[in-house]
Amino acid sequence: NAGVMQNPRHLVRRRGQEARLRCSPMKGHSHVYWYRQLPEEGLKFMVYLQKENIIDESGMPKERFSAEFPKEGPSILRIQQVVRGDSAAYFCASSPSRGRETQYFGPGTRLLVL
Amino acid sequence: SQKIEQNSEALNIQEGKTATLTCNYTNYSPAYLQWYRQDPGRGPVFLLLIRENEKEKRKERLKVTFDTTLKQSLFHITASQPADSATYLCALDMGYGGSQGNLIFGKGTKLSVKP
Repeated sequence: NAGVMQNPRHLVRRRGQEARLRCSPMKGHSHVYWYRQLPEEGLKFMVYLQKENIIDESGMPKERFSAEFPKEGPSILRIQQVVRGDSAAYFCASSPSRGRETQYFGPGTRLLVL
Repeated sequence: SQKIEQNSEALNIQEGKTATLTCNYTNYSPAYLQWYRQDPGRGPVFLLLIRENEKEKRKERLKVTFDTTLKQSLFHITASQPADSATYLCALDMGYGGSQGNLIFGKGTKLSVKP
């Protein structure tokens, strides 16, 4: 059973470009969470999604960031018009149901904005 | 808002000793408290979960305690080995309402076990 998969593992963008991060949850998991880890900071919750629904986006910046989890395919975190402050590791986690379950994390995507 | 503090950024111990890591939180007691391990360049890996009505949980050389009066969890690794060297993260799940599943993480404690 493959674990949570994220791609790309490393992404370099210039300021103003768009970044698209993909996450495929573990088989049988329908809940996806995105976290951001800034250098020297802890993991910060961004958004929680179920298939075709955003359940909690309280940690998402108000502008430039969006997330989706379509009926088919991976979950996508999109960052438009990236700035240097967006440079961080972005982790995706999945669980079979809402909360009260272990969250299984992917290896992360390291975004570097030049 | 809920805040978490892990007692130290780094902890250095000798192989064979017991490592004790501390996690303190403010405000309301969480429904669940979890500990994760994170190695450089990798995602966190789940280790143990303890519920608010549990005092202690064990798994092999690992032990977690949860004191809701002190608002504190202790994470112990007995007979530590150099392979235990990693960053250990404490995470809270408030377990109610819209925050279910929204884990709040501490900054982590980097453990180094010297041979």
